[in-house]
Parts: sequence; C-alpha cells; structure tokens
Amino acid sequence: SQQGEEDPQALSIQEGENATMNCSYKTSINNLQWYRQNSGRGLVHLILIRSNEREKHSGRLRVTLDTSKKSSSLLITASRAADTASYFCATVNNQAGTALIFGKGTTLSVSS
Amino acid sequence: DTGVSQDPRHKITKRGQNVTFRCDPISEHNRLYWYRQTLGQGPEFLTYFQNEAQLEKSRLLSDRFSAERPKGSFSTLEIQRTEQGDSAMYLCASSLASSSILIVEQYFGPGTRLTVT
Repeated sequence: SQQGEEDPQALSIQEGENATMNCSYKTSINNLQWYRQNSGRGLVHLILIRSNEREKHSGRLRVTLDTSKKSSSLLITASRAADTASYFCATVNNQAGTALIFGKGTTLSVSS
Repeated sequence: DTGVSQDPRHKITKRGQNVTFRCDPISEHNRLYWYRQTLGQGPEFLTYFQNEAQLEKSRLLSDRFSAERPKGSFSTLEIQRTEQGDSAMYLCASSLASSSILIVEQYFGPGTRLTVT
C-alpha cells in the first residue's frame, strides 16, 4: 500500500517559474525523502528531512515538513527544462529505516 | 561506473515462462532492496536484504517470486510462471546502514522493465 499522496498529480510551468509539490502521509514517520525520476529511469535521491526538522534547503530545492498535519512540500525555484520529471515523496515509518513507502508522484513539465 | 546496476534493462517474455533479474549494488553497501513500479504509480517495496539475510518481505511478494543475495553482494529476483500482471519496472536499490546510522538514503538502479505477453 502507498503511504503518501502527492498533489498535484501533474504540473506544467514555464522555465524560470517556481514549482511547488505537496505530499501528505498517514502514519508517524522517522524521516521523509524526496526522489526524482526521469521518464523510464531509476530514482535519484534529492533531499531528506528528519521528523524533528521543519525546513531544509539544497540548492534550488526547499523542503518543509509539518508533522502535525502529516504533510511536506517541495519547492523548486527558478525551474529549468531539465527539471522535467516525476517527483515522489517517500517515508520511513520504523526506526530501523528499512523500506521506503512512496506516493504516486507529481509529474512536472517545464517548458522553455 | 560505481552506481547500482541492473541486468537486463528490458525483458519480454511469454506468460508462464520464468525470468530472473540481477542487481549489483554499490560495493560497500550492506542493504539491498527490490521494488516494483507499475505505470503511473510510485515504487512499491518487495523485499530487502542486509548482507545475505533476507529480513523483510512484503505481501506483494507471492510464492512465485524469490529473491536471493547469496554472498551479500549481488542479488537475483526470480519470477516463476509469469503472469501479465507481473509486467512492471523492477527497481533495485542499495544503502549503507549500521546501528549508529538509522536514517539513510537509498541509491537506485535504472530498473528492469518486464513485459509479459
């Protein structure tokens, strides 16, 4: 079963605009991670935020986490055509940190 | 290339045939995971190994599926008597985890796309 739900399912923007994707999850978590997947390829880890963190930055990425609302957001600033991909949030809900539980993903399309 | 590799990248098989996929993790990683991803969905966990021990299996892993990691390095995933519903991308990931490092990211391979006709 899938833990997270990303919103929106699809997002189309122009280069230079910001893209915001949201993720909601159901159970308590140890950490939340965001991954990117280019069409037909494997997943690439983008950023990890721990349950005791509220915000984290990495380059053009900004992730927030609200454990009271069981939600997270991923902001990509100044988007580029190369950001076109599917983005997934993934949670780990046990302390051993084993299986990732993914949402269905947001498909981002950035046009130039 | 020192990333996770998977072989083959694509496999087309007829219903009822057996197939086997291989995953080579990043060499120093002690954990290896298998996921399945169908079109329009996120990956779903199948099973994972710590070294050679298979520590967890999901309900998705029916009796027709078996995974091994005999020497704690590469892993194989075998599907017997394939069904059309087995058509999916099979992803392998690896990570380095210890009791003092509980929060780890996983590194994914490019996947094996299986089509059962």
